[in-house]
Amino acid sequence: DAKTTQPPSMDCAEGRAANLPCNHSTISGNEYVYWYRQIHSQGPQYIIHGLKNNETNEMASLIITEDRKSSTLILPHATLRDTAVYYCIVRLRSNDYKLSFGAGTTVTVRA
Amino acid sequence: DAGVIQSPRHEVTEMGQEVTLRCKPISGHNSLFWYRQTMMRGLELLIYFNNNVPIDDSGMPEDRFSAKMPNASFSTLKIQPSEPRDSAVYFCASSFNSGRIETQYFGPGTRLLVL
Repeated sequence: DAKTTQPPSMDCAEGRAANLPCNHSTISGNEYVYWYRQIHSQGPQYIIHGLKNNETNEMASLIITEDRKSSTLILPHATLRDTAVYYCIVRLRSNDYKLSFGAGTTVTVRA
Repeated sequence: DAGVIQSPRHEVTEMGQEVTLRCKPISGHNSLFWYRQTMMRGLELLIYFNNNVPIDDSGMPEDRFSAKMPNASFSTLKIQPSEPRDSAVYFCASSFNSGRIETQYFGPGTRLLVL
């Protein structure tokens, strides 16, 4: 699976958009970008995934660059409950049960 | 939808004792995963079942660890004998694998402390 690089931490003001970057420069054509988050003392929670088109759901938006070497997860209106570790994961379609969690980005939403 | 259910939520035991962790996957899901999370190693996949059959157990640390899935609605992870280095949070996850990309849903975890 392609390796991902995320900043170790970032702060965000409550009510503002949080933009979480992820680099995956070695991604191949059939690999998906997945985002999970883990709120303290809870299990990881699925957020969103995409292949090459931008995606949006009730939780977030995923913007994937045209060359697919990087992506951004957008939390449109961050709340204190969005404070968590966010993981960007690249997955092979053919080996799709593998979820390799890296260190992620610790996002702290401040009032 | 009750989500993935794990029990117990917390377990404190003494070294050498047998520990059994339990998981009930989401109804209708056909894949089940056991993960372990520690500060040092992060989240690691221990074993993956598909249709109750173990497919990949390469992450199981050693023979002291065993996992079973007797039916589609129940799985256990057993550690015998337990050691202090087994202290971690153990997560169970389930998904519906139709052969296309699938999404794993995690339970709340079991926090294990081996003294």
